[in-house]
Order: sequence, then C-alpha cells, then structure tokens
Amino acid sequence: GAVVSQHPSWVICKSGTSVKIECRSLDFQATTMFWYRQFPKQSLMLMATSNEGSKATYEQGVEKDKFLINHASLTLSTLTVTSAHPEDSSFYICSARDSMNTEAFFGQGTRLTVV
Amino acid sequence: AQSVTQPDIHITVSEGASLELRCNYSYGATPYLFWYVQSPGQGLQLLLKYFSGDTLVQGIKGFEAEFKRSQSSFNLRKPSVHWSDAAEYFCAVGASKAAGNKLTFGGGTRVLVKP
Repeated sequence: GAVVSQHPSWVICKSGTSVKIECRSLDFQATTMFWYRQFPKQSLMLMATSNEGSKATYEQGVEKDKFLINHASLTLSTLTVTSAHPEDSSFYICSARDSMNTEAFFGQGTRLTVV
Repeated sequence: AQSVTQPDIHITVSEGASLELRCNYSYGATPYLFWYVQSPGQGLQLLLKYFSGDTLVQGIKGFEAEFKRSQSSFNLRKPSVHWSDAAEYFCAVGASKAAGNKLTFGGGTRVLVKP
C-alpha cells in the first residue's frame, strides 16, 4: 500500500510555543488529507479535512485559529498547533488519499507533549 | 448523525483461540464500514472494509467481518489469534466509499493475547 509519513514522531514543547507537524504522502498525490486527534485510551476524532490548494474544513468544536492546517502541495499537509497548552497534549494522526483511491492511508502519528 | 459502538473495551484471549470483536453502528443510509488495527504508538492499518455485496468480507492477517443489517452490526473475527494480534482495534463508519472521508470511529477494543 501507499505510504504516509508524519514528522516528527514525537515532540515536547513549552507552553505558549507553536509546533508544526508534517504529513507527507511518499508515493502518491494526496488530494485530500485528514487530521485526527486521539486522547490516551480513546478513539480518534476527526479534526479537519484539507484539500490541496483550498482552506481546510474544520469539524465542529475545533478551533481553526488554534490548529492551523496548510495543504499547499499534493504531497504535504501541515498542522500547526499555535500557542500550545498542556491540554493540547495528544496523539495526532493524519491520513491521506488520492482522488481515485477508496482507501485512505494513515501516518504513524505524532505524540505531542506540552509542558 | 452516524455513531459507532464497540461494547468491549478490553478482551483477553489465549494464543490460538478464536477472537470476535463487536461493532454496532448507527447510520441512516447505506453504511460504509471499516476495521482498523493500531499497534502501540503507531498509526492505523486497514484490516478490511465493507461497501456492498457479500456480507462476509475477508481482510488481511486472517481477519474477516460479517455485516448484519438487521442487527446494525459489523463484527470482526479471527479463528486463531497470534501473539502479534495484540493491539487496539477500531471499527469505523464512513459516509462514502472513500475510506477516511469523515470516518466516525468507535471507542476501540484493546486485545491482549495470553501465551
């Protein structure tokens, strides 16, 4: 199957700083990418959907100014957690699919810890 | 709104024994159903999916699932588990065939495999 890579795999940052997480499709063009958040021992919650070249669509309750998503190319989407706080600590997972595929491929996730 | 319930939070099974994970969904139209597996600290891997047709679907790693519309269920089964099957399993329902397109996940079932 296709490969989706997230970077970094884990990050620790200080409260008040911003953190950028990258999601790359390595061997296909991802017209659509999705960002999920997973709290410990809980399920995945869709945060937003991004289509290349357009603004992301955020799910209800997700602060768009807090979680900035950019999908500037067909192989890269970024999630920036701005002014991070300890409650933003979580596991963030992206998935990506191309326009023809019925399967979305998931990245390995990024564990963010805000101290 | 669509929802997914996985009644069992944890299941412990002996290696070589059979495994069944329950999944119940609520969706007003034809559901597109998926099962994913997540190893600790990793992203998600698609085990199998159901869109239409034969209600018994075969997946990777020896897993199968049966769609029962009358029971709104999509239970996952494996005849003989291996130690490597220890992981978290998520059932998900989507609004379309495009996996990952606004998927709603269940709470997950953690499978522990005893030697």
